[in-house]
Amino acid sequence: EDQVTQSPEALRLQEGESSSLNCSYTVSGLRGLFWYRQDPGKGPEFLFTLYSAGEEKEKERLKATLTKKESFLHITAPKPEDSATYLCAVQYSLYNQGGKLIFGQGTELSVKP
Amino acid sequence: DTEVTQTPKHLVMGMTNKKSLKCEQHMGHRAMYWYKQKAKKPPELMFVYSYEKLSINESVPSRFSPECPNSSLLNLHLHALQPEDSALYLCASSRRVGDTTRSSYEQYFGPGTRLTVT
Repeated sequence: EDQVTQSPEALRLQEGESSSLNCSYTVSGLRGLFWYRQDPGKGPEFLFTLYSAGEEKEKERLKATLTKKESFLHITAPKPEDSATYLCAVQYSLYNQGGKLIFGQGTELSVKP
Repeated sequence: DTEVTQTPKHLVMGMTNKKSLKCEQHMGHRAMYWYKQKAKKPPELMFVYSYEKLSINESVPSRFSPECPNSSLLNLHLHALQPEDSALYLCASSRRVGDTTRSSYEQYFGPGTRLTVT
């Protein structure tokens, strides 16, 4: 069964305390893995696309990596403004100009000053 | 520019009302999506339009009726909703990225419409 699991469900960090979020997936024919950030009451904000094992992408304090079975979102020296829910989504099926996503349940990150 | 706009931001409607949600993008994307999101849950796909034609309907009740008037606009018509339909409704559009050996469709979401059914 195609599945995406994120851990932990919630993570509390002190400002400057680096950590990682995990996204494991069981999908046949991975076409892409995506990370989104979502603030309360707002739409998900696109962060990264990863295609194949070994790939890495960086943006400010965030770095996403991909293996054959999981992806990590590393947060280096986080700040309170990094507090949000981080969603991982996997695309396994493509169709005419679109792609279906399976979302994980998200990790709610809280960074305290 | 990866902006998807949605109106209204908030909507309160009774169970006998008819209302519509609107979504717009001017990025030239040819696929557009409606999602429903409940609190503390990930987005759930409702409908997908590709080239202005309905491609996917995820067994959504008929009280939700999508419409794609042109390549930039997507509407969701609402009628006789139930209180359990209260949620954040998200619109997204996607663009193809990658090359011939590996490609996917990045989805960009709008800010959402917070719907409350009383």
